[in-house]
Amino acid sequence: DGGITQSPKYLFRKEGQNVTLSCEQNLNHDAMYWYRQDPGQGLRLIYYSQIVNDFQKGDIAEGYSVSREKKESFPLTVTSAQKNPTAFYLCASSTHRTDNEQFFGPGTRLTVL
Amino acid sequence: SQQGEEDPQALSIQEGENATMNCSYKTSINNLQWYRQNSGRGLVHLILIRSNEREKHSGRLRVTLDTSKKSSSLLITASRAADTASYFCATVPTSGSRLTFGEGTQLTVNP
Repeated sequence: DGGITQSPKYLFRKEGQNVTLSCEQNLNHDAMYWYRQDPGQGLRLIYYSQIVNDFQKGDIAEGYSVSREKKESFPLTVTSAQKNPTAFYLCASSTHRTDNEQFFGPGTRLTVL
Repeated sequence: SQQGEEDPQALSIQEGENATMNCSYKTSINNLQWYRQNSGRGLVHLILIRSNEREKHSGRLRVTLDTSKKSSSLLITASRAADTASYFCATVPTSGSRLTFGEGTQLTVNP
C-alpha cells in the first residue's frame, strides 16, 4: 500500500464516543487526505492538508476534525457530532500538487455499535 | 459532489475477454485519473491522462480521453481473474485542484 499505514484496520465505537484514526506516510509527501467510503459508493473528501500546520475542509467535514503537526502524520478524529460514522475510511497522500496521483493506505473500517 | 460517473455500474466477463469502462464528467478538467480498488482495500493508481492527451497505455490498460464529449474510457485487454475489482475515475477540474471520484464500476472476471 505504497508507504502509507493506517491503524487500526477495524474499529468499533459506542455511540457518543470520539475516536481517532491514525495515518502515517514515509513517502515524504506534502499533501495528505482523508476520504470516507460507504458501501457501493465512491470516495468523499473529508479533510485535506497541503502543508504542516494547515488543513482545509473537504465536502463532508462536519463531525470530523484533523491535525497536521508533523509531515508524516495526519490523524482523523470522528466526533460524537458525526451522525452516521459507520463507514470505511481511507487516507491518501500525494506530492505537493493536489492534482497529482494519490497513494492510498489500506483503510480503517469503523463500526458504531 | 461527484463529478465523474462511471458506466456500467457492474460488468461481468470471462477470462481472456476485454473489459471497457466509461467515465463521463461535467466540467472542464486538468486531468483524469483511473484507480483500482480490490474489495476491502485501499485504492491503487493506474493511469493519469492530461486534458491535452487523447490516449495513454500502460501494459494491458488503455485509456482514452475525449474532452469534447467530456468522457474517458478504460480498456483492459485479455482480462484475468485477478483484474476483479472496482474501478474509479477521478477528475481534477480546471476551476479547482482537488480530485473528485466517481462511484465506480465493479468488474468481475470469471475464470
